[in-house]
Amino acid sequence: GENVEQHPSTLSVQEGDSAVIKCTYSDSASNYFPWYKQELGKGPQLIIDIRSNVGEKKDQRIAVTLNKTAKHFSLHITETQPEDSAVYFCAASMEYGNKLVFGAGTILRVKS
Amino acid sequence: EADIYQTPRYLVIGTGKKITLECSQTMGHDKMYWYQQDPGMELHLIHYSYGVNSTEKGDLSSESTVSRIRTEHFPLTLESARPSHTSQYLCASSAGASTEAFFGQGTRLTVV
Repeated sequence: GENVEQHPSTLSVQEGDSAVIKCTYSDSASNYFPWYKQELGKGPQLIIDIRSNVGEKKDQRIAVTLNKTAKHFSLHITETQPEDSAVYFCAASMEYGNKLVFGAGTILRVKS
Repeated sequence: EADIYQTPRYLVIGTGKKITLECSQTMGHDKMYWYQQDPGMELHLIHYSYGVNSTEKGDLSSESTVSRIRTEHFPLTLESARPSHTSQYLCASSAGASTEAFFGQGTRLTVV
């Protein structure tokens, strides 16, 4: 089955700097790659996703890149703000599969 | 705002008690999931369902059971709670495996 690895497990950045979180997946049949943000006391919430027919997607300060050949995808947050501090999860799934497979999560701390 | 609800939010219960964690969604989603999230933050899939009367065990073995009698309702039951069951339980739903999964706020269970 699919296996998703996520790095780093913790990341501290200064406010205004960029943050990058990387994930690799094992099953070349996976074609949907979402990123979730989990704030304290809440469930994870989708922040951006990408499908395998696209190499990059951007939404304001957040962007995701996908390299299908290398089977890895990354989350980029620019101009980080204290409210970006949270746990971030990457995930992968197949279009006709039944479940998402999540990475282990990254704790992002933005220092002001 | 996601229309998926979990009750209770917090539960402290004695060893040996039977408990049911409730999860309901009003989005008409076919797929529903239960995740266990420990302090190490990783999301472990313990049960999923792709429609009424279908349930499957997830990647992490769990002593809990689930049922899916109605599309909107996916309760999780522990017949005899033990301290090892202490964890956060997150319910989610999606229209498909490759579409956004919506998470509830979670139930934090403590077994004493």
